[in-house]
Amino acid sequence: KNEVEQSPQNLTAQEGEFITINCSYSVGISALHWLQQHPGGGIVSLFMLSSGKKKHGRLIATINIQEKHSSLHITASHPRDSAVYICAGRPGAGSYQLTFGKGTKLSVIP
Amino acid sequence: DAGVTQSPTHLIKTRGQQVTLRCSPKSGHDTVSWYQQALGQGPQFIFQYYEEEERQRGNFPDRFSGHQFPNYSSELNVNALLLGDSALYLCASSLTGKNTIYFGEGSWLTVV
Repeated sequence: KNEVEQSPQNLTAQEGEFITINCSYSVGISALHWLQQHPGGGIVSLFMLSSGKKKHGRLIATINIQEKHSSLHITASHPRDSAVYICAGRPGAGSYQLTFGKGTKLSVIP
Repeated sequence: DAGVTQSPTHLIKTRGQQVTLRCSPKSGHDTVSWYQQALGQGPQFIFQYYEEEERQRGNFPDRFSGHQFPNYSSELNVNALLLGDSALYLCASSLTGKNTIYFGEGSWLTVV
């Protein structure tokens, strides 16, 4: 079992739909990153959060440290949101390596 | 600001050969991490360099080695290439004490 699990693995949505991607982790972390990866391979960091909720444009990320769960929401989805979304846990003090989920492939259809 | 730059973007090597991948961190960043991403998988941590020293290492064999230069740029070397080393190799930079991380576009390595 992976230390960081994402669901769903694949997601197809119609343009305009509200999208939720979930991330659960079994390891202790100090913070969690949400990342976006386009087909070319480059990764962009969307959020880094250690508690509560963050919002940037149409993207919202939440985390519940006690339940070891985080969600990424996309409101009013658009075809340009099509990408792989990856969550990654940042360990606590003394360790520097991120532990990544396998990613959720999102396709938004016009 | 050029962000994190990696080279080469694509390369093909033969089993048993050696490869060197290069990474220039974002301006002002002093820490470089390397990741391997196999097709359909999430990235796996290889190692991290800070102040020209390997600070932490993931579960990768000694065939994988690295270096960081005084200007903070870094190299990833892989010896005795195996078919299973075919992957996207990602470099990420950050500033010690800060949580923000920036990734490069990656180097696609194919071993035939």
